[in-house]
Amino acid sequence: NAGVTQTPKFQVLKTGQSMTLQCAQDMNHEYMSWYRQDPGMGLRLIHYSVGAGITDQGEVPNGYNVSRSTTEDFPLRLLSAAPSQTSVYFCASSHQDLLGSPGELFFGEGSRLTVL
Amino acid sequence: GDSVTQMEGPVTLSEEACLTINCTYTATGYPSLFWYVQYPGEGLQLLLKATKADDKGSNKGFEATYRKETTSFHLEKGSVQVSDSAVYFCALSPVYGNNRLAFGKGNQVVVIP
Repeated sequence: NAGVTQTPKFQVLKTGQSMTLQCAQDMNHEYMSWYRQDPGMGLRLIHYSVGAGITDQGEVPNGYNVSRSTTEDFPLRLLSAAPSQTSVYFCASSHQDLLGSPGELFFGEGSRLTVL
Repeated sequence: GDSVTQMEGPVTLSEEACLTINCTYTATGYPSLFWYVQYPGEGLQLLLKATKADDKGSNKGFEATYRKETTSFHLEKGSVQVSDSAVYFCALSPVYGNNRLAFGKGNQVVVIP
């Protein structure tokens, strides 16, 4: 059972370049989300999705786009990379349990992005 | 908005010592509360959770009690091991928040033999 798979694990970009971080989950979870992790900042929510075709902004959405065409995939696009987007990015997925409480978030192993 | 505050700074302690990491929250209503752990080079894993006031979450010798009166969810372990060295994050899920977890800044815990 692969869980949440992120690619690539490492990427170096130049300012202004674009790229897509891929995220796939095989647990049939409705919810998927992207976080960035920066030293001393914890994790901050970039975008999230409650199901195929539905996305919404989190705390720090500027400079990023997402789409959710299937339940399994939730790619994160950087439109024009900036040094401020140097970070470790985590994709996560979850379901909601039968009592309506939030389910456990399952995280990928992270993608370390450096923008020069 | 809803937020979580963790105590500042890394925590360094000897093996078999007691660990406490403080976590307080600000939220409307009764959010669900979580502790996640991140081992070096890995993603976060759920350590424990509590979904209503006075609930106690526990796992791997760690415990945390959801205290509505003090808006706290402190993490405790009576006797730590070197393998507990990791970063620990407190988090909350707002009521009807669709799993939009808000995380604290995390605490690095280093256990020395």
